[in-house]
Amino acid sequence: ETGVTQTPRHLVMGMTNKKSLKCEQHLGHNAMYWYKQSAKKPLELMFVYNFKEQTENNSVPSRFSPECPNSSHLFLHLHTLQPEDSALYLCASSRAGLDTQYFGPGTRLTVL
Amino acid sequence: DAKTTQPPSMDCAEGRAANLPCNHSTISGNEYVYWYRQIHSQGPQYIIHGLKNNETNEMASLIITEDRKSSTLILPHATLRDTAVYYCIVRPIRTQGGSEKLVFGKGTKLTVNP
Repeated sequence: ETGVTQTPRHLVMGMTNKKSLKCEQHLGHNAMYWYKQSAKKPLELMFVYNFKEQTENNSVPSRFSPECPNSSHLFLHLHTLQPEDSALYLCASSRAGLDTQYFGPGTRLTVL
Repeated sequence: DAKTTQPPSMDCAEGRAANLPCNHSTISGNEYVYWYRQIHSQGPQYIIHGLKNNETNEMASLIITEDRKSSTLILPHATLRDTAVYYCIVRPIRTQGGSEKLVFGKGTKLTVNP
């Protein structure tokens, strides 16, 4: 599927690095989401954006900083992460809140 | 805080139908039943959803009991590529000020055997 793309697919970073994850949706949707999936744990919602406005922050630490410049793009800026932040980071989009969400392939992040 | 219960694992022979059950006994009248699947280390893939009536698309069929307290996802002719974790999720039709998040439980690990 090419509806929701994520880059990079894999990322290894040190605890002092700054990096960004990118998500792009080609579905004409207005809502975008960041989820985190740690090993052997269920997906956890991190952030929700509707029409470029953040509408939900699920108590995410400030070392994760989302940005949504338009309805098609979503970024997750990372800085001073911890090894326990290593996980699969998933982006999703939908037409509007509570409509069907479509996921990207994810970014596998490893923090050393 | 998933509102659904699924068996942790199931096996199915290639070419046979895979029937995946889900219990959602506390579902309310304004909640859909959604099914997603996740192949190892990939993003979840939407399969199908329904409210009251049975639904069918090119991937699967969804059978919802009349009391809506349980449902079954049917893959009519399972292939090796259908090996994945299947998630049954209950979510509201329209927001009542609540979260838009999908609450994924542990799902059912379906293994399709040759």
